[in-house]
Amino acid sequence: DADVTQTPRNRITKTGKRIMLECSQTKGHDRMYWYRQDPGLGLRLIYYSFDVKDINKGEISDGYSVSRQAQAKFSLSLESAIPNQTALYFCATSDAVRGATGELFFGEGSRLTVL
Amino acid sequence: QKEVEQDPGPLSVPEGAIVSLNCTYSNSAFQYFMWYRQYSRKGPELLMYTYSSGNKEDGRFTAQVDKSSKYISLFIRDSQPSDSATYLCAMIPLSGGSYIPTFGRGTSLIVHP
Repeated sequence: DADVTQTPRNRITKTGKRIMLECSQTKGHDRMYWYRQDPGLGLRLIYYSFDVKDINKGEISDGYSVSRQAQAKFSLSLESAIPNQTALYFCATSDAVRGATGELFFGEGSRLTVL
Repeated sequence: QKEVEQDPGPLSVPEGAIVSLNCTYSNSAFQYFMWYRQYSRKGPELLMYTYSSGNKEDGRFTAQVDKSSKYISLFIRDSQPSDSATYLCAMIPLSGGSYIPTFGRGTSLIVHP
């Protein structure tokens, strides 16, 4: 089983719908991240959390919210999806030691299409 | 201007070629420099990281950092079709506390037999 699991892997939805992307990890890491990847734009940070009670906005948090339900679970929500949120979304994890040198462990991605 | 610039390619080379992948950056506070590899339909995985300036070698892969020029490179010797992937550079400042990597756009590499 994957250490960082994202669900769903693929989702097609309509404008205005609420969408939740879920991430769970078995690595025991305290740090979790949500990134968005678009062709030509690379990886952009949406939100990150260093522990259950810590939530921080990233570069592109507008239109998104997150919930850290437990150390192992970090969910990303789009309250009212719009077409320009069509992208590949990645969850990543790390710990204090590996995070300090930039080592993140990524899930396999959730491809979201908003029509 | 983005803090980290990387040519998206694609870069197409024959098997066995030496590949050079590069990034430039503008933030002089960056101290840790990483290269991630991302296969199609997969998440990125860390290939190697380097602290400050200098070279680091791991098998066929060599990472170089030139802080004076704000330029980093990844060299792949004897490239193989299995090296075909997108390579993303990433960087972290030593100060600031959050240690969140800033990623380049990624370069798509195609190694053809």
